[in-house]
Parts: sequence; C-alpha cells; structure tokens
Amino acid sequence: DAEITQSPRHKITETGRQVTLACHQTWNHNNMFWYRQDLGHGLRLIHYSYGVQDTNKGEVSDGYSVSRSNTEDLPLTLESAASSQTSVYFCASSAVGRFYNEQFFGPGTRLTVL
Amino acid sequence: AQSVSQHNHHVILSEAASLELGCNYSYGGTVNLFWYVQYPGQHLQLLLKYFSGDPLVKGIKGFEAEFIKSKFSFNLRKPSVQWSDTAEYFCAVLSLRDSNYQLIWGAGTKLIIKP
Repeated sequence: DAEITQSPRHKITETGRQVTLACHQTWNHNNMFWYRQDLGHGLRLIHYSYGVQDTNKGEVSDGYSVSRSNTEDLPLTLESAASSQTSVYFCASSAVGRFYNEQFFGPGTRLTVL
Repeated sequence: AQSVSQHNHHVILSEAASLELGCNYSYGGTVNLFWYVQYPGQHLQLLLKYFSGDPLVKGIKGFEAEFIKSKFSFNLRKPSVQWSDTAEYFCAVLSLRDSNYQLIWGAGTKLIIKP
C-alpha cells in the first residue's frame, strides 16, 4: 500500500544545530507539504512543493528550508534550531493540481529543541 | 486572511451521546470546507468535505456536517458516538493565498468518549 513515512519520529536537539526531517511518499504524488502543529494553533503550513525543483513558502517559513530533487522526498531543514521550533511536524502529499486534492499525511515527527 | 475557529478544545462524552463540534470560518465568498480526524496512533485522515451543492455532507463512520452560509459555520455531527470515535478533529477551509490554494486549519478539538 502507498504511504508517507517520516523520520525520525522523535528528535531532541540543541539550540543552534542544523536539523533535517525526512519525508518520503510512495503515492507518486506531485504535491507535498510540511506543516507544524502547536497547541492552540492547529496545523500551519511551512513549505510546499508542486513538483520536482518547485518549492514555495507557507505561512511560517522563517528558519526552515526545503528542496525537492525527486518526486518521493521533501526533506525539511531547520538551519539553526531555536526553542520556538519545538513542535510536531507533519508531512503530507496530494495528487497533481493546484486546486484541492485530498491530502494524505505522515505519522508526524516530534521535535524538541533545548 | 481567512481563519477557522473551533470553539471547544476538549469534549468529553459518554457512549451513545450525540455529538456536535463547532467550526466557524471568516470568509464571505465561495468556500470549500473540510473535517479531518486523527485517531490515537494514526495519521490524519479526511472525514468529509464540502465543495458545493447539498449543504448537508455525509462522511465516513456515520459523521455528517452542515454548511450554513449565513452563520459561516460547518459543524460536525454524529447522532450516537462510540468509544472508537475518541480522536482529535480538525476543521479546515481552502484559501487562495499567494496565487495558490492552501488549507487553513482550526486549532482542533480533542474528543474523548467514555465507555
């Protein structure tokens, strides 16, 4: 069955370190998204991609970057981790099209920045 | 900018009770609305969606939602809940931002069903 996997599932890091969260999907979807979930805020969009070599900033992109070198992967990098980036991070993907297609989600990565 | 409000952050019900979770959005034009659910230990998944037509939308597992344009609301309902409905429920609206469509999410409601 097609799926989205995220790794690691849990990560503890220190302020100032670079961290990369992996997202891999086997749906063969063109669209991929990164969200963060914080108490009281629901999910907020960090970055998204509509295909290979395409990346776009979302609502809360400061301090994060992504790159899309193939269809299956969209790694999220925190250039210099800050305590404000402690959160649960979700990756999602959807079929081609800039309008809405159902988004399928990964299991999430819980990141703690000390 | 569009926003979505879910009024209840935590709801506790007994089995067989009726459920209504509130969702309000802040946009007066054409809206596309969604409810997603995250069961314990599982991925977020789509419960139901409204694009157009009949304002009463039926989803999986006996859930339904009613789009009331005059009230800017899209409340989720289920006549009789089960213990297995324990989950976190998110309302979302599709918003046009920077020439691309994005989902704007509510803060979520954690539902606990007591057996």
